[in-house]
Amino acid sequence: LAKTTQPISMDSYEGQEVNITCSHNNIATNDYITWYQQFPSQGPRFIIQGYKTKVTNEVASLFIPADRKSSTLSLPRVSLSDTAVYYCLVGPPGSARQLTFGSGTQLTVLP
Amino acid sequence: EPEVTQTPSHQVTQMGQEVILRCVPISNHLYFYWYRQILGQKVEFLVSFYNNEISEKSEIFDDQFSVERPDGSNFTLKIRSTKLEDSAMYFCASSEAGVFDTGELFFGEGSRLTVL
Repeated sequence: LAKTTQPISMDSYEGQEVNITCSHNNIATNDYITWYQQFPSQGPRFIIQGYKTKVTNEVASLFIPADRKSSTLSLPRVSLSDTAVYYCLVGPPGSARQLTFGSGTQLTVLP
Repeated sequence: EPEVTQTPSHQVTQMGQEVILRCVPISNHLYFYWYRQILGQKVEFLVSFYNNEISEKSEIFDDQFSVERPDGSNFTLKIRSTKLEDSAMYFCASSEAGVFDTGELFFGEGSRLTVL
């Protein structure tokens, strides 16, 4: 199982871009990288998934360098409601057992 | 927007009692999952279910746990004889395709289980 390392916490201010980096040095060739968001007492919510280079959707971008040993979730212009825990998950297709949630990054957006 | 619904939102039970947690996955989804999160700890995978059978299970999912899709809409998690350490938030999730085919699992709001 690919182990992931993320900062425990980050603070930002409203309107700023936030970048959360995840390290996954032992990522396997067929592993994908997926990010989830979790608010207190709620289930995780999918943000974005990627395999390599850059992926963008309506809420975030995911940057993956060529060696794929890390990835960066970029949240443009955060608001107070983006305060949550963000999880980076790495695993192969079709295996929920290997979709391991780590400790995540607590992002706090300040006014 | 379609959502996964879970009942009950909170259940308190005595140690040794049986508990059934219920989930209604999104209607066109084919893959179903249970996760749990002990207060202040990580989200942990319990089991995945496809085509009326368990696809994968974790070490946590021992003989005390079972899952069932009793009809076309519900997906249940049964804990036969609850222990204090089963106290946690239990999340049901579903996906249209396999977990990394799309990457997107849809989670419910959770059922908080308190074992006394």
